[in-house]
Amino acid sequence: DVKVTQSSRYLVKRTGEKVFLECVQDMDHENMFWYRQDPGLGLRLIYFSYDVKMKEKGDIPEGYSVSREKKERFSLILESASTNQTSMYLCASSLLTEQETQYFGPGTRLLVL
Amino acid sequence: GQQVMQIPQYQHVQEGEDFTTYCNSSTTLSNIQWYKQRPGGHPVFLIQLVKSGEVKKQKRLTFQFGEAKKNSSLHITATQTTDVGTYFCAGPTNFGNEKLTFGTGTRLTIIP
Repeated sequence: DVKVTQSSRYLVKRTGEKVFLECVQDMDHENMFWYRQDPGLGLRLIYFSYDVKMKEKGDIPEGYSVSREKKERFSLILESASTNQTSMYLCASSLLTEQETQYFGPGTRLLVL
Repeated sequence: GQQVMQIPQYQHVQEGEDFTTYCNSSTTLSNIQWYKQRPGGHPVFLIQLVKSGEVKKQKRLTFQFGEAKKNSSLHITATQTTDVGTYFCAGPTNFGNEKLTFGTGTRLTIIP
């Protein structure tokens, strides 16, 4: 059974703070993704990684960075949090060869004050 | 860039009624996937369709992939309260198979 975990379910941060969101998967998946989910906008891809130390921008990378030092861990970093980054953040992973089926973590609801 | 639209955005149905959500892509898709997200939960993979015109069933759920591979639908027969949630379609982006473009989702609520 694939398990994707995220470091926090809820986070409250202040404008300008640096925020780290961590995601860990235990199924040796090559691909990992970070999305944000907002009402009416669906899931929007922020960044993804297809291998250790490799990353590619998604549709909305501005204001975010990522780190993948180990295969099982993918971190999303908000360098200086802003109120428009208040959202639900979802991490996902997939096997390189499994036709892109993605397995999601439980999500982190971030509130930036 | 590729866009995947879903309609309707919201649907309220009486328990026992049928429900359908439609997914349309601006580009031809190699495959389409459907996910369900329960309230307060995370998206969970339901099914993948690959062939043009393909139809797959999971109990009361019927999934179709259009002949042109640009649209898809999910139909639920005789809805139950357990069907509550948001249903997303998703297709691979133009730039490679690793990434998916998700539809905007249809939120289904059931009136008991």
